[in-house]
Amino acid sequence: AQSVTQPDIHITVSEGASLELRCNYSYGATPYLFWYVQSPGQGLQLLLKYFSGDTLVQGIKGFEAEFKRSQSSFNLRKPSVHWSDAAEYFCAVGLSGGYQKVTFGTGTKLQVIP
Amino acid sequence: DAGVTQSPTHLIKTRGQQVTLRCSPKSGHDTVSWYQQALGQGPQFIFQYYEEEERQRGNFPDRFSGHQFPNYSSELNVNALLLGDSALYLCASSSTWVPEAFFGQGTRLTVV
Repeated sequence: AQSVTQPDIHITVSEGASLELRCNYSYGATPYLFWYVQSPGQGLQLLLKYFSGDTLVQGIKGFEAEFKRSQSSFNLRKPSVHWSDAAEYFCAVGLSGGYQKVTFGTGTKLQVIP
Repeated sequence: DAGVTQSPTHLIKTRGQQVTLRCSPKSGHDTVSWYQQALGQGPQFIFQYYEEEERQRGNFPDRFSGHQFPNYSSELNVNALLLGDSALYLCASSSTWVPEAFFGQGTRLTVV
């Protein structure tokens, strides 16, 4: 069964600092990988996705993520964090082949301090 | 494009009651998935509907059931509500061969 691990439950960064959120997955083949962001009490917004091809993917709001097959990782990065980036971030893995059960990690809550 | 819409946005029910949540998928999408997100947790997959049939199911009891209509909209029904069913219920829609899910804003269910 596929699984997703987000080892950092809570991260605090200063505004303007760089950010990296970690994500490791377990799956027998190359999965479809996603990062979602959720503001309090809201639904999930897709930041970026990886299906195949270039392992560095660009998303919305200045985020990027790199797929590393050898490490089974899909870490999310942003070079300069803004106060509005404070939210919870979820890494997710989806099956290929037409069935799209998406499995989510437990999330990383990002706090941004002035 | 209205995106994925869910109703109601908030709901309070008494333990033992039954509840129905509704979801309209994004235009062009034919697959609807339901997730339960307890406070402080990641979303947990409940089930997925395609062509009006349940295609996949997560580790949820039979009290959780669903339906998909010919227009691809979907309902989630929960019977015999427990306090532990209190959560944000998220609906996600997608098209069959592109596993990219778009989420609604969710329905906040509180069981008292």
